[in-house]
Amino acid sequence: GENVEQHPSTLSVQEGDSAVIKCTYSDSASNYFPWYKQELGKRPQLIIDIRSNVGEKKDQRIAVTLNKTAKHFSLHITETQPEDSAVYFCAASLPGFQKLVFGTGTRLLVSP
Amino acid sequence: EAGVAQSPRYKIIEKRQSVAFWCNPISGHATLYWYQQILGQGPKLLIQFQNNGVVDDSQLPKDRFSAERLKGVDSTLKIQPAKLEDSAVYLCASSNMDGELFFGEGSRLTVL
Repeated sequence: GENVEQHPSTLSVQEGDSAVIKCTYSDSASNYFPWYKQELGKRPQLIIDIRSNVGEKKDQRIAVTLNKTAKHFSLHITETQPEDSAVYFCAASLPGFQKLVFGTGTRLLVSP
Repeated sequence: EAGVAQSPRYKIIEKRQSVAFWCNPISGHATLYWYQQILGQGPKLLIQFQNNGVVDDSQLPKDRFSAERLKGVDSTLKIQPAKLEDSAVYLCASSNMDGELFFGEGSRLTVL
């Protein structure tokens, strides 16, 4: 089955710096790659997603890139703010949004 | 729109006891998921329903876990008998036609 690996497990940056989180997936049939943000004690919430027919997607300070050949995708956050501090999860699913598998998470800490 | 409703929010039981969690998805969402999130880890898919049919239950420990979605709307996840390692947050989610998952607040289970 699908396996999603995520790095780093923790990431500390200064406010205003950029943060990059990387994920790799194992099943080449996966075609949907969302990113979720989970604040302490709260539910995961979708922040951005990308489908396999595009290589990059951007939404204000957040961008995601996808390399299908290498089977990896990355989350880029620019101009980080303290409120970006949270755990971020990548995920991958098969066509038809089947079997959405999550990565192990990255704890991002943005210091003022 | 109303979100995904889950109950109970918290449950403490002793090992070998049973417990049941209930989920009511967002109206109109055909797909419903149950995830297990152990502290410090990413959500792990237990079972995925499409209407009242099971799409995937490959990671559901069927000797002790069961789930049903009889009328294709709300769902129940049961654990019997519970083990210490079942302590986790049980997240229910439903998805729209675009595949975006909306999570409930979760049910936190502590097994003593």
